Amino acid sequence: SQQGEEDPQALSIQEGENATMNCSYKTSINNLQWYRQNSGRGLVHLILIRSNEREKHSGRLRVTLDTSKKSSSLLITASRAADTASYFCATTRLRNNRLAFGKGNQVVVIP
Amino acid sequence: GAGVSQSPSNKVTEKGKDVELRCDPISGHTALYWYRQSLGQGLEFLIYFQGNSAPDKSGLPSDRFSAERTGGSVSTLTIQRTQQEDSAVYLCASSRRDPPYNEQFFGPGTRLTVL
Repeated sequence: SQQGEEDPQALSIQEGENATMNCSYKTSINNLQWYRQNSGRGLVHLILIRSNEREKHSGRLRVTLDTSKKSSSLLITASRAADTASYFCATTRLRNNRLAFGKGNQVVVIP
Repeated sequence: GAGVSQSPSNKVTEKGKDVELRCDPISGHTALYWYRQSLGQGLEFLIYFQGNSAPDKSGLPSDRFSAERTGGSVSTLTIQRTQQEDSAVYLCASSRRDPPYNEQFFGPGTRLTVL
């Protein structure tokens, strides 16, 4: 069964606005990762947050992790048309690197 | 450097035929993973190879599915007697072994269509 589960969102925002998406999971994790997918093909790793971290930044990306609520959020600031994609969270468990993916969020950034 | 490559990019086959999908991981990556993505099931883990350890096959949906990894590098996923429900995009990924380097690098996928 999949551990990561995003709220089933389809976001449509204007370029320059911020986009926020959420993810929840059910079991203990080693880390949580966010991936982007364009055009239904290859996934690109965006950011990884470990279970003992609460917040992490990478460029325009900010991810938070609340292990007490088993949830994470991904914020994309100052969105661009090129950010249009599907975004997936995925978790790994201790001693097992297999990714358990959520259902994904589709984000459309309107120029 | 070169990323993960997969071949073929698209495969159309008839129900009941066998298919082989190939994955070339990033050089030096000791871990290799297969996933598949379909509309109904989302992204599912299939199998995981790590060095010389026995592979984690717990995600394979049936005994028609098998995979091998030769020489610790190239991997082949084989689906025997394909069924229409096997239609999906099959994604391969590789990663470095040592934690916390759990970032996985994905290939472009093979889109399998079973008629």
